[in-house]
Amino acid sequence: DVVMTQTPLSSPVTLGQPASISCRSGQSLVHSDGNTYLNWLQQRPGQPPRLLIYKISNRFSGVPDRFSASGAGTDFTLKISTVEAEDVGVYYCMQTTQFPYTFGQGTKLEIK
Amino acid sequence: QITLKESGPTLIKPTQTLTLTCTFSGFSLSTIGVGVGWIRQPPGKALEWLALINWKDGKEYSPSLKSRLTITKDTSKNQVVLTMTNMDPVDTGTYYCAHRVAPFYFDYWGQGTLVTVSS
Repeated sequence: DVVMTQTPLSSPVTLGQPASISCRSGQSLVHSDGNTYLNWLQQRPGQPPRLLIYKISNRFSGVPDRFSASGAGTDFTLKISTVEAEDVGVYYCMQTTQFPYTFGQGTKLEIK
Repeated sequence: QITLKESGPTLIKPTQTLTLTCTFSGFSLSTIGVGVGWIRQPPGKALEWLALINWKDGKEYSPSLKSRLTITKDTSKNQVVLTMTNMDPVDTGTYYCAHRVAPFYFDYWGQGTLVTVSS
């Protein structure tokens, strides 16, 4: 299984300030088709997960442009340019390059 | 508009078999590239992928749970069913189904159904 490791596990952030979450995979996530299927999901309290980013850096429909992501190979980052109150929740990276699909442990974003 | 909804028992006894149904709309599971997956989440813990079925009836399972899981689809009813045998209290959690599109990501999720395993 591909182990996904997120840091930090908790991120207290001031409203209006940036936030960054790192995700590292235990092996390369480059698929045989050349794509890298690293995705980011947001889970607000009491809600199901919501897709934010797919294939490293592509924002899903309706996702605000304050969310951006980057990375390659085994190291990936999600950034929020200016944190808003609605961004509170847990963020997960997830790889869908190979089975079994695996998630990071989650990073809890909270407001200071 | 794609929607998915999970249904099944909220309480189940240890050793029993859990049967969950995902009823969806807005897409067809006979469309090339489409899949439906199951993911669970113990209370306060991280997400765990369980199984996936795709448009050509291909099936994938979590290796750690493979012996206990079966995923099937009924394309005419727009449903995917997951069964998990020999339930244990550690299997307590919220179970989600999600639409997987090619290339591979889960773009739409159900609201989830909480399953408690207790005698």
